[in-house]
Amino acid sequence: GENVEQHPSTLSVQEGDSAVIKCTYSDSASNYFPWYKQELGKRPQLIIDIRSNVGEKKDQRIAVTLNKTAKHFSLHITETQPEDSAVYFCAAADSWGKLQFGAGTQVVVTP
Amino acid sequence: DTAVSQTPKYLVTQMGNDKSIKCEQNLGHDTMYWYKQDSKKFLKIMFSYNNKELIINETVPNRFSPKSPDKAHLNLHINSLELGDSAVYFCASSQDGTELTGNTIYFGEGSWLTVV
Repeated sequence: GENVEQHPSTLSVQEGDSAVIKCTYSDSASNYFPWYKQELGKRPQLIIDIRSNVGEKKDQRIAVTLNKTAKHFSLHITETQPEDSAVYFCAAADSWGKLQFGAGTQVVVTP
Repeated sequence: DTAVSQTPKYLVTQMGNDKSIKCEQNLGHDTMYWYKQDSKKFLKIMFSYNNKELIINETVPNRFSPKSPDKAHLNLHINSLELGDSAVYFCASSQDGTELTGNTIYFGEGSWLTVV
């Protein structure tokens, strides 16, 4: 089955700096890679996703990149703000639609 | 107009009890899920149903039994609760993957289960 590894487990950044979270996956048939943000005590919510036929996608301050050959994908947050503080999860969906989550990254943005 | 709703939100119960968590989605999705999030925040799929049929059944104790009366509902019943069952249980749903929608999963607000 699919195995998703996510790094780092915690990330502390100064407000205004960039944050990068990296994930690797094991199943070369995986074709969909969403990123979820979970604020304290809340549900995980989709913030951006990328499919295997695309290498990069951007939405305002967040961007994702995908390297299918190396089987890794990354989340980039630019100009971080305190409200970006949360746990971020990467995930990979195989061809059956089963989603495997990474272990999460606790992002703390300090003013 | 909550998309995925689950009840109860908080549940404190004693070891050995039997409890249920209910979930409903009004998104018209075909697939529903139960995820468990432990104290380390790890999200692990437990079950997945597509149009009332079980399609994913991860290694979960058989004390956990999902029931889907129709495709808009997926309930979770837990027998003989143990301390280790304490976690947040998230219900979720998705439309079957298509070229346009992919497999975006929408989560409910979670049910905080504490076993004492």
